[in-house]
Amino acid sequence: EAGVAQSPRYKIIEKRQSVAFWCNPISGHATLYWYQQILGQGPKLLIQFQNNGVVDDSQLPKDRFSAERLKGVDSTLKIQPAKLEDSAVYLCASSFPGIYEQYFGPGTRLTVT
Amino acid sequence: AQKVTQAQTEISVVEKEDVTLDCVYETRDTTYYLFWYKQPPSGELVFLIRRNSFDEQNEISGRYSWNFQKSTSSFNFTITASQVVDSAVYFCALSDMYSGGGADGLTFGKGTHLIIQP
Repeated sequence: EAGVAQSPRYKIIEKRQSVAFWCNPISGHATLYWYQQILGQGPKLLIQFQNNGVVDDSQLPKDRFSAERLKGVDSTLKIQPAKLEDSAVYLCASSFPGIYEQYFGPGTRLTVT
Repeated sequence: AQKVTQAQTEISVVEKEDVTLDCVYETRDTTYYLFWYKQPPSGELVFLIRRNSFDEQNEISGRYSWNFQKSTSSFNFTITASQVVDSAVYFCALSDMYSGGGADGLTFGKGTHLIIQP
């Protein structure tokens, strides 16, 4: 079974530029999550989707971050404009309905200079 | 609000020693789930175990064991006869069940960096 796929793996941008990350969850996993992991800390939930609907986006900085999950499969997370403090690893995870463990992708390491 | 505390920032032991990683959690919910994840140097989070709040049985899987005590809100993880390959950052996490029947997003602790020296 293929795992959660993410791209790109690394991205370096200058502050005020925009960037987008892509995630493809495990087949059949209806719930998709985006997390931000700053160096030395645990991951922090940004947004949770159930199929193509948003369940929780209370911790998403909506003035600069946006996310969508069209057709309930792939998802894109965008930052516009980026700030220095957005430097982090962005992790995508998915879970199967009724199964509570989440499976994580390899992450995208973002550096904002 | 949920909170997970992993007070041990870093632990260093010599190979074959036993080591316990502590986790204390806070939640107002009566139904919740506790998890342990491993993050090796490669960076990918690896699921280790899930525990339901209504099941306080301890669990053993090979060299790994978990002790869940609701009375002290703790979910500790023990590695017996540690090996160099166990070196990683270990995260304890907590989630509630949301009304749609799935799990909420995870609240993670800050992690414990475990170093196993040969």
